[in-house]
Amino acid sequence: EAGVVQSPRYKIIEKKQPVAFWCNPISGHNTLYWYLQNLGQGPELLIRYENEEAVDDSQLPKDRFSAERLKGVDSTLKIQPAELGDSAVYLCASSLGSGGARDEQFFGPGTRLTVL
Amino acid sequence: AQTVTQSQPEMSVQEAETVTLSCTYDTSESDYYLFWYKQPPSRQMILVIRQEAYKQQNATENRFSVNFQKAAKSFSLKISDSQLGDAAMYFCAYRALYSGAGSYQLTFGKGTKLSVIP
Repeated sequence: EAGVVQSPRYKIIEKKQPVAFWCNPISGHNTLYWYLQNLGQGPELLIRYENEEAVDDSQLPKDRFSAERLKGVDSTLKIQPAELGDSAVYLCASSLGSGGARDEQFFGPGTRLTVL
Repeated sequence: AQTVTQSQPEMSVQEAETVTLSCTYDTSESDYYLFWYKQPPSRQMILVIRQEAYKQQNATENRFSVNFQKAAKSFSLKISDSQLGDAAMYFCAYRALYSGAGSYQLTFGKGTKLSVIP
């Protein structure tokens, strides 16, 4: 069974440019998460989807970040315009969505963004 | 708000020896989940072990075990018979038990970098 797929693995852009990250969750997983991981830190949740609905986006900087999960499967996270401080790893995770301890979150390999 | 603290930025262990990674957390909830995740250089987070706070018995998964002290809000990870493949960043994480906004959110510590010496 394929795991969580993310692309690209690496992205280098100039500041003020737009950038987009793509995530394909594990088949059948209703819940999808985007996390931000700064260097030397643990991941921090940006947004959580239940199917196609964003049910927790309280930590998403909405002035420049946006996300969508059309049809409740794949998801795209966008930054426009990118700033130097956005350089980080962006992780996507998915889970079945039952919410119990066995509702394990499976993580993708992440996208490492470098903003010059 | 819940917080997770890992006070050891780096640890090292000789191959085949045992090492313990520390984690403390702060919460006002009585029921919750605790996790240890491993993140190798490939960046893919892998679940190592989980603990339900309502279970008094410490979780064990092969060479990995935890020492869960609920009153002290402590959740340490013990790795026995350390192997070269255990070298990675290890993150302690907390998640609330009940549904509601933020309940599925994993709150991570800053991580401990474990090196295994041949």
